[in-house]
Amino acid sequence: TQLLEQSPQFLSIQEGENLTVYCNSSSVFSSLQWYRQEPGEGPVLLVTVVTGGEVKKLKRLTFQFGDARKDSSLHITAAQPGDTGLYLCAGDFLRVGNQFYFGTGTSLTVIP
Amino acid sequence: DSGVTQTPKHLITATGQRVTLRCSPRSGDLSVYWYQQSLDQGLQFLIQYYNGEERAKGNILERFSAQQFPDLHSELNLSSLELGDSALYFCASSVAWGAANEQFFGPGTRLTVL
Repeated sequence: TQLLEQSPQFLSIQEGENLTVYCNSSSVFSSLQWYRQEPGEGPVLLVTVVTGGEVKKLKRLTFQFGDARKDSSLHITAAQPGDTGLYLCAGDFLRVGNQFYFGTGTSLTVIP
Repeated sequence: DSGVTQTPKHLITATGQRVTLRCSPRSGDLSVYWYQQSLDQGLQFLIQYYNGEERAKGNILERFSAQQFPDLHSELNLSSLELGDSALYFCASSVAWGAANEQFFGPGTRLTVL
């Protein structure tokens, strides 16, 4: 059983389209992070959210943390081929101590 | 370049063997994390060390062990290897030990068990 479920698992879109990736759990997060991973490389941190309802923007990427701190979304506006990669959410949970869990991942392909 | 180094980059070995993966954290980082990434399991947290002491343990098998040395580099030892241990193994480091701290990942070691 995965603590963090991401959807969709795969996404293939045309350049210029918008998309949203979701990260959900039945448990409450202490904090949540979004990473992007390119083939053959380690994940790279995009953002950390801590407060319920928090919204953070990073250029064309908008990250939202759910009010109840059980879910998060990543919205990309006007996707570009350089956005292609594996997007991973990761978080630690109040009841689990200091362990850190990664989501199942969303593999995004942006077609020029 | 994250500043985290991992060696070797690739490792091919046989079932039943033992291997050691090495990680050097970013300068100034005291915390080291180990992860296993496979196609069917995704990225799984194995273990975390902070300034030489074990801080958190995830889904690490008993055949696996790790340690962090006084110079803060870390080693992950995998023994009695099985085919299913084939995966990418990542090391990450952060300044402190809380999970909200940004983790910087190394390039990974690709382990193939034949």
